[in-house]
Amino acid sequence: AQTVTQSQPEMSVQEAETVTLSCTYDTSESNYYLFWYKQPPSRQMILVIRQEAYKQQNATENRFSVNFQKAAKSFSLKISDSQLGDTAMYFCALGQGAQKLVFGQGTRLTINP
Amino acid sequence: EADIYQTPRYLVIGTGKKITLECSQTMGHDKMYWYQQDPGMELHLIHYSYGVNSTEKGDLSSESTVSRIRTEHFPLTLESARPSHTSQYLCASGGRGRVKETQYFGPGTRLLVL
Repeated sequence: AQTVTQSQPEMSVQEAETVTLSCTYDTSESNYYLFWYKQPPSRQMILVIRQEAYKQQNATENRFSVNFQKAAKSFSLKISDSQLGDTAMYFCALGQGAQKLVFGQGTRLTINP
Repeated sequence: EADIYQTPRYLVIGTGKKITLECSQTMGHDKMYWYQQDPGMELHLIHYSYGVNSTEKGDLSSESTVSRIRTEHFPLTLESARPSHTSQYLCASGGRGRVKETQYFGPGTRLLVL
């Protein structure tokens, strides 16, 4: 069975700081995809970044980047130069092909002014 | 920009009423999903569909039912609402093009059953 674990229920940093959110997963498959989704207080789930397991290069999207360690089954999200608008719940998710996603428990991130 | 719509956004209803939560997408995605999420908690898949006339139950048992008669439309129905159904329901779609593995989410429906 696939599982996703986010061990940090809550995090809080000052604006402009860098923050890293942790995610570990377990799967027996060799071909899969990993995602970070953001859910602001308005509750619309938004895709932040995605990573294909077969790619060694870490994905980046502007201020967001991942550290994908396939052997360790780790997929952390780094947010650089954090902004107030980054305040949200962040969910790590694991998927295969175009199938179902398995979500972690979420990390509530607060960016303080 | 993903275009997936859910109505209503908020619904307060009494016990025993029948309700239908609507979900539509204009992206031509063949795969659609329904998740249940309690506030601040993780998402649980309750139904999914891989195409017209295809529906499957998800990992979390639910008393709701779904239908997929048209590609763009994936409504969820509760025949008799109960307070235990109070939650947020998120619809998602995916399965097309280069990023077919990615799911795109609607704004959600927050349901309160009194």
